[in-house]
Amino acid sequence: SYELTQPPSVSVAPGQTATIPCGGDNIGRQSVHWYQQKPGQAPMLVVYDDSDRPSEIPERFSGSNSGNTATLTITRVEAGDEADYHCQVWDGTSVLFGGGTKLTVL
Amino acid sequence: QVQLQESGPGLVKPSETLSLTCTVSGDSIGLFSWSWIRQPAGKGLEWIGRIYSGGSTNYNSSLKSRVTMSIEKSKNRFSLTLSSVTAADTAVYYCARNDILTGHFGDWGQGTLVTVSS
Repeated sequence: SYELTQPPSVSVAPGQTATIPCGGDNIGRQSVHWYQQKPGQAPMLVVYDDSDRPSEIPERFSGSNSGNTATLTITRVEAGDEADYHCQVWDGTSVLFGGGTKLTVL
Repeated sequence: QVQLQESGPGLVKPSETLSLTCTVSGDSIGLFSWSWIRQPAGKGLEWIGRIYSGGSTNYNSSLKSRVTMSIEKSKNRFSLTLSSVTAADTAVYYCARNDILTGHFGDWGQGTLVTVSS
């Protein structure tokens, strides 16, 4: 069965750039979506269709997708970006989420 | 913006059936498709299933034998039933709006904790 693989954790200093990978077989052929989830809250969409952003999401959040890896990039990281990040795909009949990555801002 | 609100019992006994409803406000339920997603404490997100406005459904293959989703357009709400529950079904359950084409979830409910225990 198809799987999406994310590292359990990523750490970054404030002001630096965080990159969160999401691996999957030929994931570049699918549309990948990313969600931010803070403790006790519902997930929130931050990137959809690989690299588009909802209007309320800052430009610091961006996405890319090629080959076997999709990537969420957060530039000029702030303390408020500390959260879990989940990738997701839809194959037409089924939804799959990655295991999630905890972003820690040092 | 669409708003979603889950409702239903917070405690269900083992072997019984879990039933939740998601009430949608801010737009017609007939314009989109809708999903249920759950998250056990400290774990990742698990998609349960999706229902279209016409009533057709897709379910997670691992839960398919126990899941039923339905939609009531006149009341702008949709529902989930999960039968024969065990402790492994204890989780926060979210309802969410699905984009028809790409399947992303643009709006979520706040989530409701369902505990399976005797």
